[in-house]
Amino acid sequence: SQELEQSPQSLIVQEGKNLTINCTSSKTLYGLYWYKQKYGEGLIFLMMLQKGGEEKSHEKITAKLDEKKQQSSLHITASQPSHAGIYLCGADNGYGGATNKLIFGTGTLLAVQP
Amino acid sequence: EPEVTQTPSHQVTQMGQEVILRCVPISNHLYFYWYRQILGQKVEFLVSFYNNEISEKSEIFDDQFSVERPDGSNFTLKIRSTKLEDSAMYFCASSVTGVYGYTFGSGTRLTVV
Repeated sequence: SQELEQSPQSLIVQEGKNLTINCTSSKTLYGLYWYKQKYGEGLIFLMMLQKGGEEKSHEKITAKLDEKKQQSSLHITASQPSHAGIYLCGADNGYGGATNKLIFGTGTLLAVQP
Repeated sequence: EPEVTQTPSHQVTQMGQEVILRCVPISNHLYFYWYRQILGQKVEFLVSFYNNEISEKSEIFDDQFSVERPDGSNFTLKIRSTKLEDSAMYFCASSVTGVYGYTFGSGTRLTVV
């Protein structure tokens, strides 16, 4: 079965600093999703990556999928307190069936100090 | 922007009681899912549902769990006899294609006492 490992598990940065969160898969990624979660709350969709080498950006957040499609990174530029939360990567199980499901990583807890 | 709506947002129930968690998926979506997250742990897949039947279920989804689409808009998760270990956040999700693009609801926090 597919496993997703995120690193680091937690991260504290000063406001304005850049940071990167990594997500490594035990199998080739067919679809990789990034979500943000406030502790105890719902999942907010950030980005989805499908192609090797793909990169997407939204505001100050950039996500990349490596060429081998086994690793993704999420980069936040000039972090703000509003970026604080838990970042989850989710992988489509890639069987190509009609009801693929997402397998989630363990999450990265981000705190941004003003 | 279309949303997946879940009710209630919080539910407290006594051990052994039945609970029904409700979800209204996005109207043109055809594939529906339930996930759960025990506090501090991973988000785990429970079940997927398409064309009025279960497509896939995890080991967690035992005989105590059932899902139903009672009408054209609701998708429910029933836990027949709740246990303390069922305490978790339960997320509903829906998808147009069942392959790419999943929209999650804001969750129902279930506490079993």
